[in-house]
Amino acid sequence: EADIYQTPRYLVIGTGKKITLECSQTMGHDKMYWYQQDPGMELHLIHYSYGVNSTEKGDLSSESTVSRIRTEHFPLTLESARPSHTSQYLCASSEYYEQYFGPGTRLTVT
Amino acid sequence: SQQGEEDPQALSIQEGENATMNCSYKTSINNLQWYRQNSGRGLVHLILIRSNEREKHSGRLRVTLDTSKKSSSLLITASRAADTASYFCATDASGGSNYKLTFGKGTLLTVNP
Repeated sequence: EADIYQTPRYLVIGTGKKITLECSQTMGHDKMYWYQQDPGMELHLIHYSYGVNSTEKGDLSSESTVSRIRTEHFPLTLESARPSHTSQYLCASSEYYEQYFGPGTRLTVT
Repeated sequence: SQQGEEDPQALSIQEGENATMNCSYKTSINNLQWYRQNSGRGLVHLILIRSNEREKHSGRLRVTLDTSKKSSSLLITASRAADTASYFCATDASGGSNYKLTFGKGTLLTVNP
């Protein structure tokens, strides 16, 4: 079982609200990732970080932002949630090639 | 464009049978990985095969890689009901960032008791 945690696991929120999805890992990995996944579909990389104060946008354009001020913590923020943001968000970390995933946050924006 | 594409999209078999899933990709790679995802959960790494390897085994899993055809297969032998999950291949493109992965759409495997 990987030591990577995501909170909340489920979130239902109204349009226009600001939300932060938390992700933390205790493995000391430098590299962390955020993916977006719709049901039954592939994962799309939306943000990644190779270390503290390093963040990059992924292959899928996203209105979310991330920060990495501590190695173990990689939160994702949506300033104004919209129904199109409804999806599952998966956080992962890696030391080399193998990625370890958290359980995911299922976000529903009404 | 999609780097990894799994085939078939869905597979239903009986317990004890073997399950084979295929993955095709488009660009040169350093490694190819297979992950498993139980419904509504995060992914779990199963196996990694390097571009200079042709076959790899791990327990009931057998992975092959054919870089000339840009394809890989995952074989699960003697399947169990607990193997029911989605299986994804993931590649990292050579020449680019080695640690970013591109995932395929996955194969949904159902193993009937």
